[in-house]
Amino acid sequence: AQKVTQAQTEISVVEKEDVTLDCVYETRDTTYYLFWYKQPPSGELVFLIRRNSFDEQNEISGRYSWNFQKSTSSFNFTITASQVVDSAVYFCALSEAGDNYGQNFVFGPGTRLSVLP
Amino acid sequence: DGGITQSPKYLFRKEGQNVTLSCEQNLNHDAMYWYRQDPGQGLRLIYYSQIVNDFQKGDIAEGYSVSREKKESFPLTVTSAQKNPTAFYLCASSIDVLEQFFGPGTRLTVL
Repeated sequence: AQKVTQAQTEISVVEKEDVTLDCVYETRDTTYYLFWYKQPPSGELVFLIRRNSFDEQNEISGRYSWNFQKSTSSFNFTITASQVVDSAVYFCALSEAGDNYGQNFVFGPGTRLSVLP
Repeated sequence: DGGITQSPKYLFRKEGQNVTLSCEQNLNHDAMYWYRQDPGQGLRLIYYSQIVNDFQKGDIAEGYSVSREKKESFPLTVTSAQKNPTAFYLCASSIDVLEQFFGPGTRLTVL
């Protein structure tokens, strides 16, 4: 069965520091998708990025960057020059492209990031 | 604007009562989901539906029921059989196995 691990339960940084959130996944499928979501204090999950298993190129979007490495089954998320507004819980998720989709969508336990002024 | 709406935002229930949480989407997505989130915890899947008139139990379906009579709507009923219903409930929708989009959530409290 697929699994997503986020070993960091909570991280605290001071504003302007860089921070990396780790995500390790397990799957037997060769075709799968990885995602990151942000959950601010308001509660709604905000979609940040999707990556498919055939595209290992790293991606950068402003202060956000993602490093996908199939060799280590990791999909890490880095925030550069963190800001107080980045404080949230971040979830990594995995979806397998099997026939029974929906049930194959798994979230990690989340990492709570606190950015202190 | 396209999106997912959930109502109410806050809901209070007396013990022994059934309550229904609303979830509507205008994204034309086939799949819809209900999750439960407890304080400081991750998401747990309650029910999901891939198409109209079909739905499947997730990991914690006991004490909950759903219906999917319309593509746009996926209401969740929290029954009196759910012994510990106080939680934050999130509804989501998606196209196939791609990213799920979430509503703003309903916070249910049992008095």
